[in-house]
Amino acid sequence: GAVVSQHPSWVICKSGTSVKIECRSLDFQATTMFWYRQFPKQSLMLMATSNEGSKATYEQGVEKDKFLINHASLTLSTLTVTSAHPEDSSFYICSARAGDYGYTFGSGTRLTVV
Amino acid sequence: GESVGLHLPTLSVQEGDNSIINCAYSNSASDYFIWYKQESGKGPQFIIDIRSNMDKRQGQRVTVLLNKTVKHLSLQIAATQPGDSAVYFCAETYGGSQGNLIFGKGTKLSVKP
Repeated sequence: GAVVSQHPSWVICKSGTSVKIECRSLDFQATTMFWYRQFPKQSLMLMATSNEGSKATYEQGVEKDKFLINHASLTLSTLTVTSAHPEDSSFYICSARAGDYGYTFGSGTRLTVV
Repeated sequence: GESVGLHLPTLSVQEGDNSIINCAYSNSASDYFIWYKQESGKGPQFIIDIRSNMDKRQGQRVTVLLNKTVKHLSLQIAATQPGDSAVYFCAETYGGSQGNLIFGKGTKLSVKP
């Protein structure tokens, strides 16, 4: 079946620094990648959608200059949280879509900004 | 019984009983629905899906019911086991499986041995 590998699984960073999260589709080509954020005891909120080779489409209220998304290849998408602050601490999850595979989710990244 | 917690409603059931988790979706144009299971600290796991041209679909121990008239989706889990304890989310999209996937609020299922 389709597998999406997400790294790191957790990261702690200092306020003001940037953090990069990677998602790779291991056995299929992901034409579209989705990035979600999930706060404790809440649902997954869609942050942005990216198609390979195109600029990402951000949901309303998500700062595109803060959350940089790169989808340079069909197997790799990255989310960079720039100048992270404690309020950015959250669980970030990617999802890939490719044809009949539907939606496949990564295992998530727990970001803690101190 | 079912109760509303700080953010997630919780459903507590006895092991072996059947569980019913409900979800109200928002977009009447949505035509594809998926139920996911999420364990603590992990990404969502696919359970079962249904397209809008159906009103019922069965899997192994799980059944999804779709009522488009009232925009309601339910997940039935037969003979609930402790391993079923998790948070369950419904998700909707339109354009078949080609649209953005939007998640509902989620329900925490707690199974008592």
